[in-house]
Amino acid sequence: AQTVTQSQPEMSVQEAETVTLSCTYDTSESDYYLFWYKQPPSRQMILVIRQEAYKQQNATENRFSVNFQKAAKSFSLKISDSQLGDAAMYFCAYRSARDGTSYGKLTFGQGTILTVHP
Amino acid sequence: ETGVTQTPRHLVMGMTNKKSLKCEQHLGHNAMYWYKQSAKKPLELMFVYNFKEQTENNSVPSRFSPECPNSSHLFLHLHTLQPEDSALYLCASSLTGGTNQETQYFGPGTRLLVL
Repeated sequence: AQTVTQSQPEMSVQEAETVTLSCTYDTSESDYYLFWYKQPPSRQMILVIRQEAYKQQNATENRFSVNFQKAAKSFSLKISDSQLGDAAMYFCAYRSARDGTSYGKLTFGQGTILTVHP
Repeated sequence: ETGVTQTPRHLVMGMTNKKSLKCEQHLGHNAMYWYKQSAKKPLELMFVYNFKEQTENNSVPSRFSPECPNSSHLFLHLHTLQPEDSALYLCASSLTGGTNQETQYFGPGTRLLVL
C-alpha cells in the first residue's frame, strides 16, 4: 500500500519570502501522479500543482513549483513570493496510474499548516 | 453554479437520526468520491463511483450508505451514527481516462457533528 508522509505539521513564512513544504511517499509502482492541494480556512480544497511520475521536468504553476526526486520518493512544494492568501493547510497526495480497484484513489499526507506573516 | 457543490454545509444530528448529504458536480465529470476528514488525520477515502457504479468501498461501516443516481449527483445517507463519525465530509469529482483529466476537484464539505 502506498503511504504519504508530510513531516512538517506547521510552517511559517514572511510575506514575499520563499518557503518549501516537504513530502515523501512510499510506493512500489513506477507510474503514478503526485499532487499538492491547498485547503484555506474556508475548507474548499483547491488543486495547487500536479506532477506525472514519468515526467522528469518539475511542474511549475506561477509562484508554485515542485522538486520531484523520483529515486528518493520526494515531492516538495516551493512557494515563492509568499502572499497572505497562501495561508492554508497544504496536502500532498499520491494517485496510482494503474487501472483496478485503486483507480482514482488519492492517498493523502497528514497536511502542513502554513502561516504567512505580514 | 460551477464546480462541486455540497449541501448542507453544516449538520448536527443525534445518533438515532437519519440524514443525507448531497453532492453535485457541474464539471461534466464521470467519477465521484466521498472522503472523511477528521481532526489530525489524513483524508480517508470512503467511496468511489465511476459512471454511477461503485468501484471502491474502503471498509466503511454500513451506517454510511452512498447513492449515485447519475454522474452528476452523489449522496451519502447517514443512519445511527456514532460521535466518532463527527468530521468534515468532502465530495470530489474527476474525469477518468486521459493523463490530464484525472485530477480530483473538491466541494466545500459538510461539517457533521453527531451528538
